[in-house]
Amino acid sequence: EPEVTQTPSHQVTQMGQEVILRCVPISNHLYFYWYRQILGQKVEFLVSFYNNEISEKSEIFDDQFSVERPDGSNFTLKIRSTKLEDSAMYFCASSVPGNGGNTDTQYFGPGTRLTVL
Amino acid sequence: QKEVEQNSGPLSVPEGAIASLNCTYSDRVSQSFFWYRQYSGKSPELIMSIYSNGDKEDGRFTAQLNKASQYVSLLIRDSQPSDSATYLCAVADDYKLSFGAGTTVTVRA
Repeated sequence: EPEVTQTPSHQVTQMGQEVILRCVPISNHLYFYWYRQILGQKVEFLVSFYNNEISEKSEIFDDQFSVERPDGSNFTLKIRSTKLEDSAMYFCASSVPGNGGNTDTQYFGPGTRLTVL
Repeated sequence: QKEVEQNSGPLSVPEGAIASLNCTYSDRVSQSFFWYRQYSGKSPELIMSIYSNGDKEDGRFTAQLNKASQYVSLLIRDSQPSDSATYLCAVADDYKLSFGAGTTVTVRA
């Protein structure tokens, strides 16, 4: 069964450093997302991406964040200058367009645990 | 920010019993609703989606949706120890999901 993959599984970085989190969405999916979950808190939406552009972003997704689909398979999240509060699990998800106006199911990758020291 | 509220846990049920999970949402125009299961340290895993009022059954799981009351629920029948996890209610707003805080279920053997 196709699945979303993410690398690395755990990233440790120093405050102020840049990190790139990588995702390979399910191959026939067209919508891509990043979510994050701070330990003990809700899963929070960061950004959605379709047709090579951001379709929606949350207040969390400020100028420190960017996303890119550099080739036909990868989808990346870059954090330019990490802060302590960026420590969280970051989940990539993908979906196909919904039918009849319904939002189709989003499938989540295993996540990258980002630790900022 | 669309609000999604879930009944606070933790919920402890004996093996073989029914676990009942509730979720309310604030956006009346929401059309798509999802239940995900999340084991500790893992990613959300889809259990069910529901789009229309009424019940939807899949194996031991039944989702119920009442759009007039802005309420969605999940029943887990014949609960097993492997069902012990946090259950997340998610509501779609265009193409993003708003999640509840989750209800942690523990099934006692």
